[in-house]
Order: sequence, then C-alpha cells, then structure tokens
Amino acid sequence: NAGVTQTPKFQVLKTGQSMTLQCAQDMNHEYMSWYRQDPGMGLRLIHYSVGAGITDQGEVPNGYNVSRSTTEDFPLRLLSAAPSQTSVYFCASSYGGANTEAFFGQGTRLTVV
Amino acid sequence: GENVEQHPSTLSVQEGDSAVIKCTYSDSASNYFPWYKQELGKRPQLIIDIRSNVGEKKDQRIAVTLNKTAKHFSLHITETQPEDSAVYFCALTGGGNKLTFGTGTQLKVEL
Repeated sequence: NAGVTQTPKFQVLKTGQSMTLQCAQDMNHEYMSWYRQDPGMGLRLIHYSVGAGITDQGEVPNGYNVSRSTTEDFPLRLLSAAPSQTSVYFCASSYGGANTEAFFGQGTRLTVV
Repeated sequence: GENVEQHPSTLSVQEGDSAVIKCTYSDSASNYFPWYKQELGKRPQLIIDIRSNVGEKKDQRIAVTLNKTAKHFSLHITETQPEDSAVYFCALTGGGNKLTFGTGTQLKVEL
C-alpha cells in the first residue's frame, strides 16, 4: 500500500493562476480531507468528504474547490491563486470519519508570488 | 465549530525529564482527542488518542489524560529522548465530522 499520495511536492504559482493539487489513497477510506499548515496556526481544515459524491466546507474554504468522484481521489483546486494561499497543504484520509486515525500525505509546499 | 487552545507553544526539557502539553476546549460535545507528532519536514502522524468515555490512556512512555469536567486533555511524555524532539499537535472532533487541531508545541529535548 502506498497510503496517501500527494502531487506535486513543491509548486510556485503566479498570482491569479489556477492549479489542482492531487491526492489519492489506496486504503479504501471513505473520509478524506484537506488541511493547510501555516506557522503558528496549526493545521486548518479546508474541505472534507465523507464519501464519493459528498463534500463539505471546513474552517477556511474560500478560494478552494474540491470534488470527490471516486473513493480514491480528492483533488483540491485553487481557482485564482493569491499570496495568502502560500502554505503547506496536507491531504488526509481515515477509515471511520473524523473520529478515527487520520493518515496524511507527504504535503505540498505552495508558494504564490 | 470547535475551538482548542494548546500550551505551551515551545517546550525545552533535558533528556530524561518529563514533558507535559495541555489543550483546552469549549465544546462539551467533543468526543475524540488524538495527538499527532510532526518531525521537521515530515507529515503529522498519530501517536496516541483517547475517547470521551476514558480518563487516561498509556502507551509505553506516552500517556494522555482527559478531564471532561474541566474540558482539557494533556499529553505526558516520560523519560524524554532526543528523538522526541518534534512539533506536537492536539486535536479533537465534536458532533460534526471535522477534526480541529491546536496550534502546536515545539518540543526540544536537550542532551
């Protein structure tokens, strides 16, 4: 099992550009989520999904879109990148929802200039 | 949503000493309290968790205690070693399906 795989590991965008961060898991987990990590602020929930076809907003959803067409994949789209979206992004999955162990991907370090 | 405060933000201990990190929360519906360890440049990984029907849980040198009345839970690391140096995050879930993290504690174990 590869676990949770995120791509790319690093990305530099210009303000206004759009891009998609990819996340895939091979553990057949129903629950997947996206977090951003900023210094001194911990991990903040952007969006989450409890299963294919179902998504919901987290704490900081503005400027991001998600979709969940399959159990395995949960891409995160930045619609029009802003410098405030410079951060490290983590995707996570868990078997039984938010009340069970979250398995994280290796992270994507995004810089918006 | 749930709110969780974590203290201290940095903690420096001598090797062999104990370390304690505390988190407080406001939502009495919170029922799952995990702790994650994140080494520099790595992903967070679960080290221990506790549910609201249990007051304490131990795993070798690591323990977590939960006081539901006072709404706080703590991570205890005994006999600290240099490899314990990392950032530790508390987290919790409540009635919804959202995992909320604390702001993290940078633990440094000095030789």
